[in-house]
Amino acid sequence: EDQVTQSPEALRLQEGESSSLNCSYTVSGLRGLFWYRQDPGKGPEFLFTLYSAGEEKEKERLKATLTKKESFLHITAPKPEDSATYLCAVTNFGNEKLTFGTGTRLTIIP
Amino acid sequence: EPEVTQTPSHQVTQMGQEVILRCVPISNHLYFYWYRQILGQKVEFLVSFYNNEISEKSEIFDDQFSVERPDGSNFTLKIRSTKLEDSAMYFCASSETVNQPQHFGDGTRLSIL
Repeated sequence: EDQVTQSPEALRLQEGESSSLNCSYTVSGLRGLFWYRQDPGKGPEFLFTLYSAGEEKEKERLKATLTKKESFLHITAPKPEDSATYLCAVTNFGNEKLTFGTGTRLTIIP
Repeated sequence: EPEVTQTPSHQVTQMGQEVILRCVPISNHLYFYWYRQILGQKVEFLVSFYNNEISEKSEIFDDQFSVERPDGSNFTLKIRSTKLEDSAMYFCASSETVNQPQHFGDGTRLSIL
């Protein structure tokens, strides 16, 4: 069974203080690893897809990287509007479903 | 930008009643999904739907649940006889193909009394 573990559960940063969120996964055959952002009371908002180890994707202050066992979401010089829960999810070649981790709740303090 | 829309945003129902949650996926998408998120827990897969039939379902998706695409735009989740433990946020998602990102609606909060 696919498993996704995210750490830390919660992270508080000062505005401008860079950090990284971790997503470790166990999957029988990785089809894709997905990062989503979720604001309170809203649905997950798609950020990135990574398909193979070594791949990197960037969008504004966020950069996602992938190895054979884990993915990192690096946030550089965050702003208060980056505060949200960041979710990691995987799919494998045997099915279509997303298997989610429990997320990292990120708070950026002005 | 195209988006997935869900109605209602909040549904309150008595235990044992039937409920239908509605979704309008993104128009050129071919794969449709339902997930749920119990308060404080992770997002869980319920069912996927392609070419007018269920392609995959989880253990949660038992005989009380059904899905339908009644026309070219709507995708519905029906719970036949609701239980207290069905209280959760239900998300609909859609994707162009099986390997493309799934895009989510803002969910329906289902409260069973």
